Amino acid sequence: ETGVTQSPTHLIKTRGQQVTLRCSSQSGHNTVSWYQQALGQGPQFIFQYYREEENGRGNFPPRFSGLQFPNYSSELNVNALELDDSALYLCASSPDWAGGPNNEQFFGPGTRLTVL
Amino acid sequence: SQELEQSPQSLIVQEGKNLTINCTSSKTLYGLYWYKQKYGEGLIFLMMLQKGGEEKSHEKITAKLDEKKQQSSLHITASQPSHAGIYLCGAAPNTGNQFYFGTGTSLTVIP
Repeated sequence: ETGVTQSPTHLIKTRGQQVTLRCSSQSGHNTVSWYQQALGQGPQFIFQYYREEENGRGNFPPRFSGLQFPNYSSELNVNALELDDSALYLCASSPDWAGGPNNEQFFGPGTRLTVL
Repeated sequence: SQELEQSPQSLIVQEGKNLTINCTSSKTLYGLYWYKQKYGEGLIFLMMLQKGGEEKSHEKITAKLDEKKQQSSLHITASQPSHAGIYLCGAAPNTGNQFYFGTGTSLTVIP
């Protein structure tokens, strides 16, 4: 148990729709990062939020956006869903920015998104 | 961008055997993290290496970072079925707030 929760567990959407995934971080963790993991691949960094502001982004288009709230909850929003968006979406919380020295990330169990 | 290559891609070993997983970076590593993932689940932190030549152990798992900080290895001694899963190395570049994972190594331990 990492203390990081995600909802929903599974989700099925159709192409063109919009989706919101939610994450609840560990209390006291200022950073939340979101990752996309396609089947058989390593997680790909989407973006990172630090104290409610985006402060790092991977190679993902603007239709991937996020929010971080003061109560340690956060959201990942994806607009105009495409078939290739089907993946496991993971959020991770950490005390400081991801990859910083001695900065372990605590991962949630993930949300499995299927786009038909 | 930072690229992390892992080898082998998959590994099947008999219980009790030793094994090694490698992670090679295209750039000097700022910090190298090892995580384990059970199929379709979240990642569990194993250990983090930062200094060239550093070695850490936890129970039967030992991780090393080479002097040039471009390659790391994860060694499991006397493997058990509980070691099965996907092992991922991860790192951040020296500049920019991002994080990269390797391609992953799938480990199966046969009782």
